[in-house]
Amino acid sequence: EAGVAQSPRYKIIEKRQSVAFWCNPISGHATLYWYQQILGQGPKLLIQFQNNGVVDDSQLPKDRFSAERLKGVDSTLKIQPAKLEDSAVYLCASSLFRGNSYNEQFFGPGTRLTVL
Amino acid sequence: AQSVTQLDSQVPVFEEAPVELRCNYSSSVSVYLFWYVQYPNQGLQLLLKYLSGSTLVESINGFEAEFNKSQTSFHLRKPSVHISDTAEYFCAVSDPKTSYDKVIFGPGTSLSVIP
Repeated sequence: EAGVAQSPRYKIIEKRQSVAFWCNPISGHATLYWYQQILGQGPKLLIQFQNNGVVDDSQLPKDRFSAERLKGVDSTLKIQPAKLEDSAVYLCASSLFRGNSYNEQFFGPGTRLTVL
Repeated sequence: AQSVTQLDSQVPVFEEAPVELRCNYSSSVSVYLFWYVQYPNQGLQLLLKYLSGSTLVESINGFEAEFNKSQTSFHLRKPSVHISDTAEYFCAVSDPKTSYDKVIFGPGTSLSVIP
């Protein structure tokens, strides 16, 4: 079974530029998560999708970050414009949805963003 | 809101020695507890989890963790580490009553196994 795919793996941009990250979850996984992992910190949830609907985006800086999952499968996270403090690894994860019970999250390899 | 503390940011240990990585969480009536491992340049992998039942949980590669409700702890232990255990370890928690799939991660502990 293929895992969670992310691209690109690395990205270097200058501040005020725009950047987009792509994630393809495990086939059949209805729930998709985007996390931001700043160096020396644990991952922080940015947004959670259930199929193509947003479940939680309370920690997404909506003035510059946006995300979509139009067909309920793959997803794109965009930053526009980027700031120095956005330098981080952006992790995508997915899980099955089986009602109100625990569902293991499977993580992709991440995209390391450096903002200069 | 839930929070997780990992007091040790870095733990160096010699190969074949025992290790304990400490984790404490903010108190709650009920919790799900997790340990994730992140090998260099890889994504996170679930190492073990506590959902209910036995307070001692084990992984397939020899790690174990014990849920201690009175001390709000979930320390990770291994009796004999290998070079391949070198990685970042994250303790995490979720609240099954309110948001079972919203996982809050600790800051991580970097385990370095010295040959």
